[in-house]
Amino acid sequence: AQKVTQAQTEISVVEKEDVTLDCVYETRDTTYYLFWYKQPPSGELVFLIRRNSFDEQNEISGRYSWNFQKSTSSFNFTITASQVVDSAVYFCALRGNAGKSTFGDGTTLTVKP
Amino acid sequence: GAVVSQHPSRVICKSGTSVKIECRSLDFQATTMFWYRQFPKQSLMLMATSNEGSKATYEQGVEKDKFLINHASLTLSTLTVTSAHPEDSSFYICSASSGELAGFTGELFFGEGSRLTVL
Repeated sequence: AQKVTQAQTEISVVEKEDVTLDCVYETRDTTYYLFWYKQPPSGELVFLIRRNSFDEQNEISGRYSWNFQKSTSSFNFTITASQVVDSAVYFCALRGNAGKSTFGDGTTLTVKP
Repeated sequence: GAVVSQHPSRVICKSGTSVKIECRSLDFQATTMFWYRQFPKQSLMLMATSNEGSKATYEQGVEKDKFLINHASLTLSTLTVTSAHPEDSSFYICSASSGELAGFTGELFFGEGSRLTVL
């Protein structure tokens, strides 16, 4: 069985603050993929990042960065200098060998002006 | 990137009627499609996995006679909510995977979602 835990249900920050969304996962698979998705109020899932289990390099994309720590089974997501448009629900997900994706419960981020 | 289109985006129906939601992969052949359900302010829950040309595999607790899934071609899967009731109101999202694409990226491609409201 696989499990994804996003301990933070809601986070509220003021614009320009940095914010980190936590994600911890469990799986017995040796090969797996980790994802982050953004879900704005319109509902569609916006793909942000994908990491496979063999690639522990951290990644930075503009104001977004991801920290993959296999030793602690964590895949945290940091938004630097947050903006109001970053307000959304963010999901961490894991896709294992069977191809199924398991999603965390999501973190609702509110960025206030 | 690969595109998955879902239709309709919103549907309102009367209790007791059936509703069909389509999920199409527009620029790749989707050997596997997944259907998810999302209640307000909750996570996505996998309902079933469908492979082209075979019966769908349903997750525990999902009524297969209630949620009919047909994956008749490599570019189309349909979810039919039969005899819909208000408790079936939800956001339904499909995702598609290509064996070839998955081998390179492991990525799933999501449709835009369909919001079903049963009156």
